[in-house]
Amino acid sequence: QVQLVESGGGLVKPGGSLRLSCAGSGFNFSAYYMTWVRQAPGKGLECVSYISNSGNTIYYADSVKGRFTISRDNTQNLLYLQMTNLRAGDTAVYYCARDRRPGKNSGFAFWGQGTLVTASS
Amino acid sequence: QSVLTQPPSVSGAPGQRVTISCTGSGSNIGTYDVHWYQHFPGTAPKFLIYGNNNRPSGVPDRFSGSKSGTSASLAITGLQAEDEADYYCQTYDRGLSISVFGGGTKLTVL
Repeated sequence: QVQLVESGGGLVKPGGSLRLSCAGSGFNFSAYYMTWVRQAPGKGLECVSYISNSGNTIYYADSVKGRFTISRDNTQNLLYLQMTNLRAGDTAVYYCARDRRPGKNSGFAFWGQGTLVTASS
Repeated sequence: QSVLTQPPSVSGAPGQRVTISCTGSGSNIGTYDVHWYQHFPGTAPKFLIYGNNNRPSGVPDRFSGSKSGTSASLAITGLQAEDEADYYCQTYDRGLSISVFGGGTKLTVL
């Protein structure tokens, strides 16, 4: 069955960096777009970034553009989110999510359990 | 401020029907499919409705979705206590070139 497992969250000081990972299994990882979604405390869901199956197409939310970098390793079935210059407003649970079908906007049918990132001094 | 607008909260008694609206624009709902999620705090969101009005396997037929123009709705019939959760609509926005969520609606079962 499809599984997504995030890791790499933790406590970091504002201005610091962190790299999140998401390990996919149970499906052809290289066929699917992958997305990072976050939920800040008391707030709603926000798409942070997505990457196409080949890695050639990448987009970011304005709130993280220039500070976050998404990447993937299809040989290891891994998705990454490199976060730099972290701010208090980046504190959130970060989920990786997979679309129902290859391509984008077929709905996020599969989610990881989430990893908590806390940017605080 | 979310690109997609949902009511912050709705409520209903057990057995009743409630609807949750999701309003967008021509660059998102007016062009692309809408999907819905059920979210309990501390857990991963659950895929509830895809492609405006389709249920994934295992989702009860008490849940249904619809879309018209630049708005979409989620309907829940025969409300149960276990339905008390946050609900989010989601689609793609061609102006932002990224998926967008509504602000979320908290459903309270009275």
